[in-house]
Amino acid sequence: SAVISQKPSRDICQRGTSLTIQCQVDSQVTMMFWYRQQPGQSLTLIATANQGSEATYESGFVIDKFPISRPNLTFSTLTVSNMSPEDSSIYLCSVSVAGREQFFGPGTRLTVL
Amino acid sequence: DAKTTQPPSMDCAEGRAANLPCNHSTISGNEYVYWYRQIHSQGPQYIIHGLKNNETNEMASLIITEDRKSSTLILPHATLRDTAVYYCIVNSGGSNYKLTFGKGTLLTVNP
Repeated sequence: SAVISQKPSRDICQRGTSLTIQCQVDSQVTMMFWYRQQPGQSLTLIATANQGSEATYESGFVIDKFPISRPNLTFSTLTVSNMSPEDSSIYLCSVSVAGREQFFGPGTRLTVL
Repeated sequence: DAKTTQPPSMDCAEGRAANLPCNHSTISGNEYVYWYRQIHSQGPQYIIHGLKNNETNEMASLIITEDRKSSTLILPHATLRDTAVYYCIVNSGGSNYKLTFGKGTLLTVNP
């Protein structure tokens, strides 16, 4: 298994600003992912964070809006840029340790006013 | 990845077995069945996965039909802490390991 922490756990931000969310894992992992969970909805994959190369984004998500960094095998950041109230969601990172099950962080609850 | 169908909600009495069904009639030969759950306001938690054979771990049992078109997650002695949304996901794993979450089943365990 893997222990995952996220910072911040929650934040309230103003429209037009940006927020960077950090994800730290207690061991080196190959695959890291970022998900979004809008209020009352299920999880949607934003992108796969690749170490040493650009992230791979899912349909409907673009790098300019959600830039991702992955400087090493234990850390990644997701930035939510130029925020609007529609970006209010829980953002979760996850890792795959053995290529099978995924382990999720506790999430970052973002409210945009 | 194959699509899954789950009932939107189920109830279970505390101490009884909870049997959560999942239909995945379009599953292909190399796809696994995964189960996750999400307790309110927490990140999803991996429960169990299987390919063809039935699987059991400390949390649950997974029963997959012989034709692999459906499966059942069994929580043998449900507790109030098992109240959560349960997601059945089909995925081939490996380098294409991305989870597609449906709406899941809200299991409510009643005292």
